Amino acid sequence: QVQLKESGPGLVQPSETLSLTCTVSGFSLTSYSVSWVRQPSGKGPEWMGRMWYDGDTAYNSALKSRLSISRDTSKNQVFLKMNSLQTDDTGTYYCTRDRNYGGYSERYYVMDAWGQGASVTVSS
Amino acid sequence: DIKMTQSPSSLSASLGERVTISCRASENINNYLSWYQKKEDGSVKLLIYHTSRLQPGAPSRFSGSGSGKDYSLTISGLESEDIATYYCQQGYTPYTFGAGTKLELK
Repeated sequence: QVQLKESGPGLVQPSETLSLTCTVSGFSLTSYSVSWVRQPSGKGPEWMGRMWYDGDTAYNSALKSRLSISRDTSKNQVFLKMNSLQTDDTGTYYCTRDRNYGGYSERYYVMDAWGQGASVTVSS
Repeated sequence: DIKMTQSPSSLSASLGERVTISCRASENINNYLSWYQKKEDGSVKLLIYHTSRLQPGAPSRFSGSGSGKDYSLTISGLESEDIATYYCQQGYTPYTFGAGTKLELK
């Protein structure tokens, strides 16, 4: 059974760094890629970036200067770190399993399993 | 970035009713379009990918269609478990999502 679970602090001070962990089970991080997606309250989701199955990373250019994604395959964990947090970074943060359905391009990846989400509030 | 515009933003429908949600991309996305369902408890599921391919486990009352810039999700007969918010997402990086369509019971 494929499962993903996000964990981390629910409250972060402005200008501080957010650290989240995605712990996965039911699949291997060396076979599947994992994305991070966030959703501010009342808005649509935003794709943040991806840890590829081969250890490479891809980032949304809007967040690239603040964002880092890494992993520990021995612990089945993917990590997100984002610095210089502001109030508009408040929202729910999800990790997703990304499945390839038929081609080598990023266009052939879909987010076929999602974690429950971690609520993050940026406030002093 | 490609902008995704969903309509309507909210929708009230009766059980058994046929429901259609639309999504328009700011440019041709060549059928790289997925639909997701988000429940009130925050859980998210993939329903449809590549415009019309049904994700295993998704009910067959869900279907997708479209081409070019314009796409739609149809529920052929609304059931109570379908009450949720639906999002479209295009497949060119950076992936972008619509703002969502909140489906409620009439």
